[in-house]
Amino acid sequence: GQQVMQIPQYQHVQEGEDFTTYCNSSTTLSNIQWYKQRPGGHPVFLIQLVKSGEVKKQKRLTFQFGEAKKNSSLHITATQTTDVGTYFCAVYNQGGKLIFGQGTELSVKP
Amino acid sequence: DTAVSQTPKYLVTQMGNDKSIKCEQNLGHDTMYWYKQDSKKFLKIMFSYNNKELIINETVPNRFSPKSPDKAHLNLHINSLELGDSAVYFCASSQDATGARPLGNTIYFGEGSWLTVV
Repeated sequence: GQQVMQIPQYQHVQEGEDFTTYCNSSTTLSNIQWYKQRPGGHPVFLIQLVKSGEVKKQKRLTFQFGEAKKNSSLHITATQTTDVGTYFCAVYNQGGKLIFGQGTELSVKP
Repeated sequence: DTAVSQTPKYLVTQMGNDKSIKCEQNLGHDTMYWYKQDSKKFLKIMFSYNNKELIINETVPNRFSPKSPDKAHLNLHINSLELGDSAVYFCASSQDATGARPLGNTIYFGEGSWLTVV
């Protein structure tokens, strides 16, 4: 079935450093979504990417969808302590299920 | 008003007990879900209902029985609780089931129910 691999599993950065998490699929994706889950919280939708090579920005967050629509990345510039949490990519499979990546847990040291 | 609300938020219970988690959404969505998040934060879909009809039923023990009295509610009943059932259970909803919609749907999650079986 549809799977998406997300790396790294954990990332510890100093405040002000950049952070990137990657998602990879063996099959072509119709779209990909990104969610953020704060510690003790619930996943919250960030963005959806649909087009090949698409790049979207939300303040310090940059989301990219690969040209082949098989991979995606989320990049955070100059991390802040408010960025702490787990970031998930998620894709729909043909059966209509939203499949989540394993998540990347980001910790930021002030 | 909370869009997707679930109760209880915390539940500690003994092995062998039966418990229920309730969920309600006020977004007018047609589709509701239950997800399980384990200690490694892996999110896995358990069930999906569209307009009260079961559309996704993952390989979940039949001790877990969802019930949807109407499209705004999806409750989860768990019989004979086991230690391995300890997890966070998230209810969620989306506008539509996505089997026929290639662009997908945004999923809105409830705040989670922390279940601990002792």
